[in-house]
Amino acid sequence: QQPVQSPQAVILREGEDAVINCSSSKALYSVHWYRQKHGEAPVFLMILLKGGEQKGHDKISASFNEKKQQSSLYLTASQLSYSGTYFCGSRNAGNMLTFGGGTRLMVKP
Amino acid sequence: DTEVTQTPKHLVMGMTNKKSLKCEQHMGHRAMYWYKQKAKKPPELMFVYSYEKLSINESVPSRFSPECPNSSLLNLHLHALQPEDSALYLCASSRLLLAEETQYFGPGTRLLVL
Repeated sequence: QQPVQSPQAVILREGEDAVINCSSSKALYSVHWYRQKHGEAPVFLMILLKGGEQKGHDKISASFNEKKQQSSLYLTASQLSYSGTYFCGSRNAGNMLTFGGGTRLMVKP
Repeated sequence: DTEVTQTPKHLVMGMTNKKSLKCEQHMGHRAMYWYKQKAKKPPELMFVYSYEKLSINESVPSRFSPECPNSSLLNLHLHALQPEDSALYLCASSRLLLAEETQYFGPGTRLLVL
């Protein structure tokens, strides 16, 4: 079953913050975050494995609450280069990676 | 080096044609994947190979035929496709087929079926 992402789209001014949420109705073994720019391949951002785990990558960080089956991606002081579509992917017991519907992020100057 | 390469970048084919997509990685990864992505949609898993053996087939029509000749190569053979098969076809690989492993994607082949 596909994870649910929210919001579907967000427009930011450069320097503003954003949060993208990802939730699943099924047990999550791991959550993977990717960013895809138009016409390009998805690029790996980070993977979260344990309940309550948090990770950071430059000004992008994420949390994973295994009990709530939710993950959130935090974009701090957004840059123009952050524009793109963000996908969360969840790995189930069969090790298949299923992607959420995506969140389209646009950062304006 | 985390590069996955795919050829061709673009492909136009008729419904009676036979063509193949190619994917290559030299990272020593033992799991390789084919995804299909339609515009403004997330990638959808088609096939998974683990140690050169087909591990997962997501009920893909038989007009798509995957092949894994060796640990570095993954092919997708196309025959008698339909216009609705037009999409971006992405290949990915990971070290192993495990929940904690990162998948690295290739740039994709943009396919148009006329």
